[in-house]
Amino acid sequence: EAGVAQSPRYKIIEKRQSVAFWCNPISGHATLYWYQQILGQGPKLLIQFQNNGVVDDSQLPKDRFSAERLKGVDSTLKIQPAKLEDSAVYLCASSFGLAGYTGELFFGEGSRLTVL
Amino acid sequence: SQQGEEDPQALSIQEGENATMNCSYKTSINNLQWYRQNSGRGLVHLILIRSNEREKHSGRLRVTLDTSKKSSSLLITASRAADTASYFCATDAGGFKTIFGAGTRLFVKA
Repeated sequence: EAGVAQSPRYKIIEKRQSVAFWCNPISGHATLYWYQQILGQGPKLLIQFQNNGVVDDSQLPKDRFSAERLKGVDSTLKIQPAKLEDSAVYLCASSFGLAGYTGELFFGEGSRLTVL
Repeated sequence: SQQGEEDPQALSIQEGENATMNCSYKTSINNLQWYRQNSGRGLVHLILIRSNEREKHSGRLRVTLDTSKKSSSLLITASRAADTASYFCATDAGGFKTIFGAGTRLFVKA
């Protein structure tokens, strides 16, 4: 079974530039999550989708971050304009459960962003 | 907001020794999970324990849950160098979000 795919693995940009990350979840998984992990910290949930609808985006900085999952499969997370404090690993995860499910999450390898 | 807090922040042991990590949380939960993260990689699910369970085993892993103290522990027996990683507890805070703690960094010396 193919795992969660993310790209790019690494990205270096200058502040105020834009960046986009892509995630393809495990086939059949209804729920998709984007987490931000700053060095030395645990992952912080940015946004959670069920199919193509947003379940929770309460911690997404909406003035600069946006995410979509148009066809209910793959997803894109965009940052525009980037700030120095956005330097982090952006982890995508998926689960087969629907909203309200809090069981096992399957994570991708992450996209490491460095903002200079 | 952080729901789970792991203790210690870092742990260094010799191969063959046991490693114990603790997690405390603030609000009632439906379940608690432990994940491992190797350096530069994504998180991997280790074990899930439900709020009505007190202990669970999986191979060399033993997890306990004390809901009265709002705490859990992860024991890795007979540790190996390959167990070197960060370990995170994750809770649902009684809701539908999975919230992670800051993690314990385990280093197993060969």
